[in-house]
Amino acid sequence: DQQVKQNSPSLSVQEGRISILNCDYTNSMFDYFLWYKKYPAEGPTFLISISSIKDKNEDGRFTVFLNKSAKHLSLHIVPSQPGDSAVYFCAASAHNDMRFGAGTRLTVKP
Amino acid sequence: NAGVTQTPKFRVLKTGQSMTLLCAQDMNHEYMYWYRQDPGMGLRLIHYSVGEGTTAKGEVPDGYNVSRLKKQNFLLGLESAAPSQTSVYFCASRGQGEKLNGYTFGSGTRLTVV
Repeated sequence: DQQVKQNSPSLSVQEGRISILNCDYTNSMFDYFLWYKKYPAEGPTFLISISSIKDKNEDGRFTVFLNKSAKHLSLHIVPSQPGDSAVYFCAASAHNDMRFGAGTRLTVKP
Repeated sequence: NAGVTQTPKFRVLKTGQSMTLLCAQDMNHEYMYWYRQDPGMGLRLIHYSVGEGTTAKGEVPDGYNVSRLKKQNFLLGLESAAPSQTSVYFCASRGQGEKLNGYTFGSGTRLTVV
Protein backbone atom coordinates (compact mmCIF):
# COMPACT_ATOMS: atom_id res chain seq x y z
CA ASP A 1 0.00 0.00 0.00
CA GLN A 2 1.72 3.11 -1.23
CA GLN A 3 1.20 5.87 1.31
CA VAL A 4 2.89 8.56 -0.74
CA LYS A 5 1.88 9.01 -4.36
CA GLN A 6 3.30 11.04 -7.20
CA ASN A 7 0.89 10.53 -10.06
CA SER A 8 2.88 12.33 -12.75
CA PRO A 9 5.86 10.27 -13.89
CA SER A 10 7.24 13.17 -15.93
CA LEU A 11 6.98 16.92 -16.43
CA SER A 12 8.51 19.13 -19.09
CA VAL A 13 8.75 22.92 -18.77
CA GLN A 14 10.50 25.77 -20.54
CA GLU A 15 13.47 27.48 -18.93
CA GLY A 16 12.35 30.49 -16.92
CA ARG A 17 8.82 29.20 -16.35
CA ILE A 18 7.37 27.68 -13.19
CA SER A 19 7.62 23.95 -12.46
CA ILE A 20 4.94 22.49 -10.19
CA LEU A 21 5.39 18.98 -8.86
CA ASN A 22 2.58 17.36 -6.94
CA CYS A 23 2.33 14.70 -4.25
CA ASP A 24 -0.54 13.09 -2.35
CA TYR A 25 -0.42 11.06 0.84
CA THR A 26 -2.85 8.86 2.72
CA ASN A 27 -1.41 8.54 6.24
CA SER A 28 -2.67 11.33 8.50
CA MET A 29 0.10 10.50 11.00
CA PHE A 30 2.80 11.98 8.75
CA ASP A 31 4.23 15.04 10.46
CA TYR A 32 7.13 16.00 8.20
CA PHE A 33 7.25 16.25 4.45
CA LEU A 34 10.34 16.55 2.28
CA TRP A 35 11.43 16.82 -1.31
CA TYR A 36 14.55 15.19 -2.68
CA LYS A 37 16.29 15.62 -6.01
CA LYS A 38 18.10 12.79 -7.73
CA TYR A 39 20.54 12.74 -10.63
CA PRO A 40 21.41 9.49 -12.45
CA ALA A 41 23.96 7.27 -10.70
CA GLU A 42 23.80 9.37 -7.53
CA GLY A 43 21.89 9.12 -4.28
CA PRO A 44 18.95 11.46 -3.60
CA THR A 45 19.86 14.82 -2.12
CA PHE A 46 17.66 16.74 0.28
CA LEU A 47 16.02 19.84 -1.21
CA ILE A 48 13.40 21.34 1.10
CA SER A 49 11.07 20.29 3.90
CA ILE A 50 7.98 21.37 5.79
CA SER A 51 6.43 20.32 9.07
CA SER A 52 2.73 19.64 9.41
CA ILE A 53 2.21 22.76 11.50
CA LYS A 54 3.03 24.98 8.52
CA ASP A 55 1.45 25.39 5.12
CA LYS A 56 4.35 26.95 3.23
CA ASN A 57 8.12 26.95 3.29
CA GLU A 58 10.34 28.87 0.91
CA ASP A 59 14.03 28.53 0.11
CA GLY A 60 15.27 30.61 -2.80
CA ARG A 61 13.66 29.39 -6.01
CA PHE A 62 11.96 26.48 -4.22
CA THR A 63 8.67 26.64 -2.31
CA VAL A 64 6.78 23.76 -0.77
CA PHE A 65 3.07 24.05 -0.05
CA LEU A 66 1.16 21.73 2.26
CA ASN A 67 -2.62 21.28 2.28
CA LYS A 68 -3.36 18.98 5.20
CA SER A 69 -7.10 18.79 4.63
CA ALA A 70 -6.51 17.53 1.09
CA LYS A 71 -3.45 15.49 2.09
CA HIS A 72 -1.57 17.15 -0.72
CA LEU A 73 1.75 18.90 -1.11
CA SER A 74 3.45 20.55 -4.01
CA LEU A 75 6.88 21.85 -4.93
CA HIS A 76 7.17 25.05 -6.97
CA ILE A 77 10.39 25.94 -8.75
CA VAL A 78 10.57 29.50 -10.05
CA PRO A 79 12.26 30.24 -12.36
CA SER A 80 13.09 26.78 -13.68
CA GLN A 81 16.64 26.24 -14.95
CA PRO A 82 18.11 23.46 -17.14
CA GLY A 83 20.20 22.31 -14.16
CA ASP A 84 16.94 21.52 -12.34
CA SER A 85 16.37 18.59 -14.71
CA ALA A 86 16.34 15.53 -12.44
CA VAL A 87 13.97 13.11 -10.74
CA TYR A 88 12.16 14.63 -7.76
CA PHE A 89 10.92 12.47 -4.92
CA CYS A 90 8.30 13.48 -2.42
CA ALA A 91 8.72 11.92 1.03
CA ALA A 92 6.76 11.85 4.27
CA SER A 93 7.79 10.91 7.77
CA ALA A 94 6.01 9.66 10.85
CA HIS A 95 7.95 8.49 13.89
CA ASN A 96 11.36 7.14 12.84
CA ASP A 97 11.06 6.25 9.17
CA MET A 98 10.27 7.93 5.88
CA ARG A 99 8.19 6.83 2.89
CA PHE A 100 8.82 7.97 -0.65
CA GLY A 101 6.73 8.50 -3.73
CA ALA A 102 7.63 6.98 -7.09
CA GLY A 103 9.23 10.18 -8.34
CA THR A 104 8.60 12.71 -11.12
CA ARG A 105 11.17 13.26 -13.84
CA LEU A 106 11.46 17.00 -14.52
CA THR A 107 12.95 18.18 -17.79
CA VAL A 108 13.67 21.89 -18.18
CA LYS A 109 14.19 22.83 -21.80
CA PRO A 110 16.48 25.75 -22.73
CA ASN B 1 34.39 14.38 2.63
CA ALA B 2 31.92 13.57 5.39
CA GLY B 3 28.98 11.49 4.33
CA VAL B 4 27.60 8.03 3.68
CA THR B 5 29.77 5.45 1.91
CA GLN B 6 28.38 2.29 0.38
CA THR B 7 30.40 -0.72 -0.72
CA PRO B 8 30.41 -2.31 -3.20
CA LYS B 9 29.08 -0.01 -5.93
CA PHE B 10 28.22 -2.85 -8.31
CA ARG B 11 27.73 -6.58 -7.88
CA VAL B 12 26.41 -9.49 -9.91
CA LEU B 13 25.19 -12.51 -7.96
CA LYS B 14 23.93 -15.90 -8.99
CA THR B 15 20.58 -17.03 -7.63
CA GLY B 16 21.07 -18.58 -4.20
CA GLN B 17 24.33 -16.82 -3.41
CA SER B 18 24.69 -14.63 -0.35
CA MET B 19 26.28 -11.24 0.11
CA THR B 20 26.55 -8.31 2.50
CA LEU B 21 26.25 -4.65 1.58
CA LEU B 22 28.15 -2.27 3.83
CA CYS B 23 27.09 1.24 4.75
CA ALA B 24 29.37 3.52 6.73
CA GLN B 25 28.70 7.07 7.94
CA ASP B 26 31.07 9.46 9.67
CA MET B 27 28.54 12.06 10.85
CA ASN B 28 27.79 10.38 14.21
CA HIS B 29 24.18 9.90 13.10
CA GLU B 30 21.86 7.83 15.27
CA TYR B 31 19.46 6.71 12.55
CA MET B 32 20.36 4.60 9.53
CA TYR B 33 18.21 3.18 6.75
CA TRP B 34 18.32 0.78 3.81
CA TYR B 35 16.12 1.46 0.77
CA ARG B 36 15.77 -0.20 -2.60
CA GLN B 37 14.85 1.67 -5.76
CA ASP B 38 12.98 -0.01 -8.58
CA PRO B 39 11.54 1.54 -11.76
CA GLY B 40 8.10 3.04 -11.13
CA MET B 41 8.25 2.16 -7.43
CA GLY B 42 10.36 4.93 -5.99
CA LEU B 43 12.37 4.13 -2.88
CA ARG B 44 11.02 1.46 -0.56
CA LEU B 45 12.26 1.03 2.99
CA ILE B 46 13.79 -2.38 3.75
CA HIS B 47 15.07 -2.06 7.32
CA TYR B 48 16.19 0.73 9.58
CA SER B 49 17.98 1.33 12.85
CA VAL B 50 17.42 3.99 15.50
CA GLY B 51 20.72 3.37 17.24
CA GLU B 52 23.60 0.98 17.79
CA GLY B 53 22.34 -2.53 18.45
CA THR B 54 18.80 -1.84 17.22
CA THR B 55 17.03 -2.79 13.99
CA ALA B 56 13.44 -2.59 12.73
CA LYS B 57 11.53 -3.78 9.68
CA GLY B 58 10.39 -1.43 6.95
CA GLU B 59 7.99 -1.90 4.05
CA VAL B 60 9.78 -4.74 2.23
CA PRO B 61 11.96 -6.66 4.73
CA ASP B 62 11.50 -10.21 3.43
CA GLY B 63 14.69 -11.85 2.15
CA TYR B 64 16.96 -9.36 3.92
CA ASN B 65 18.66 -9.16 7.30
CA VAL B 66 20.52 -6.27 8.89
CA SER B 67 22.90 -5.59 11.73
CA ARG B 68 24.08 -2.43 13.51
CA LEU B 69 26.94 -3.60 15.74
CA LYS B 70 28.71 -0.25 15.52
CA LYS B 71 27.06 3.15 15.39
CA GLN B 72 28.79 4.12 12.17
CA ASN B 73 28.01 0.93 10.23
CA PHE B 74 24.78 -0.62 8.99
CA LEU B 75 25.02 -3.93 7.14
CA LEU B 76 22.41 -5.37 4.78
CA GLY B 77 22.56 -9.10 4.13
CA LEU B 78 21.01 -11.28 1.47
CA GLU B 79 21.14 -14.89 2.60
CA SER B 80 19.91 -16.48 -0.64
CA ALA B 81 19.67 -14.00 -3.49
CA ALA B 82 16.70 -14.10 -5.87
CA PRO B 83 16.22 -12.32 -9.23
CA SER B 84 13.47 -10.21 -7.57
CA GLN B 85 16.21 -8.63 -5.47
CA THR B 86 17.81 -7.09 -8.53
CA SER B 87 17.68 -3.40 -7.67
CA VAL B 88 19.63 -0.32 -6.69
CA TYR B 89 20.17 -0.19 -2.94
CA PHE B 90 20.60 3.07 -1.05
CA CYS B 91 21.73 3.59 2.47
CA ALA B 92 20.85 6.78 4.35
CA SER B 93 21.37 8.32 7.75
CA ARG B 94 20.15 11.22 9.84
CA GLY B 95 20.91 12.73 13.20
CA GLN B 96 18.56 12.64 16.16
CA GLY B 97 16.08 15.50 16.14
CA GLU B 98 16.98 16.41 12.55
CA LYS B 99 13.85 15.32 10.73
CA LEU B 100 13.52 18.59 8.83
CA ASN B 101 17.12 18.36 7.59
CA GLY B 102 16.42 15.23 5.61
CA TYR B 103 18.52 12.14 5.20
CA THR B 104 22.03 11.92 3.81
CA PHE B 105 22.16 9.21 1.17
CA GLY B 106 25.00 7.13 -0.19
CA SER B 107 25.58 6.85 -3.91
CA GLY B 108 23.98 3.42 -4.15
CA THR B 109 24.84 -0.21 -4.87
CA ARG B 110 23.59 -1.66 -8.14
CA LEU B 111 22.89 -5.37 -7.60
CA THR B 112 21.98 -7.80 -10.35
CA VAL B 113 20.87 -11.34 -9.50
CA VAL B 114 21.01 -13.75 -12.43
